[in-house]
Amino acid sequence: NAGVMQNPRHLVRRRGQEARLRCSPMKGHSHVYWYRQLPEEGLKFMVYLQKENIIDESGMPKERFSAEFPKEGPSILRIQQVVRGDSAAYFCASSPAPGAGEKLFFGSGTQLSVL
Amino acid sequence: TQLLEQSPQFLSIQEGENLTVYCNSSSVFSSLQWYRQEPGEGPVLLVTVVTGGEVKKLKRLTFQFGDARKDSSLHITAAQPGDTGLYLCADDQAGTALIFGKGTTLSVSS
Repeated sequence: NAGVMQNPRHLVRRRGQEARLRCSPMKGHSHVYWYRQLPEEGLKFMVYLQKENIIDESGMPKERFSAEFPKEGPSILRIQQVVRGDSAAYFCASSPAPGAGEKLFFGSGTQLSVL
Repeated sequence: TQLLEQSPQFLSIQEGENLTVYCNSSSVFSSLQWYRQEPGEGPVLLVTVVTGGEVKKLKRLTFQFGDARKDSSLHITAAQPGDTGLYLCADDQAGTALIFGKGTTLSVSS
């Protein structure tokens, strides 16, 4: 039973390019969360999605960032026109259901470096 | 907005020593979770505590939840190099995403 799969593990982009980060949740999980982690800043919530729906995007910057979780295929976090400040580790987590007590399973993350 | 404060921020100890790290919240926890994150990997859940005063043990790790459900501690007995990592506490509120503290970075040298 594969865990949460994220790819690529490392992504290098030049300023102004687009970054696409993919996340395949665990089998049977329909809830996906994206977090961003900067050194010494902990994990910051970005967006929470269910299949075909964005449930909570309160942590996501209003511009350049978007996320989707289509009926078929992985969840995608898309960053347009990347800037150096977007460099960070981006983690995806999945759970079978929302809310208190549900265990979140995290992927190994995508390390985005913007040159 | 809830704030989770973790202390110390960094801890470097020798193998065999005991240690305690802390997590304090600006408001009552709904459900507190402790995670460990190793370099280059995602966090892995260690334990969930819900009831004030609750104590849970996981081998050499002891987790305590404060009576008022606003603070928690993680005690490690006889630390080993394999305990090295970032220890994160998080509040799991129903219907919303986990809120994490900034973590304690633990380094155990042999």
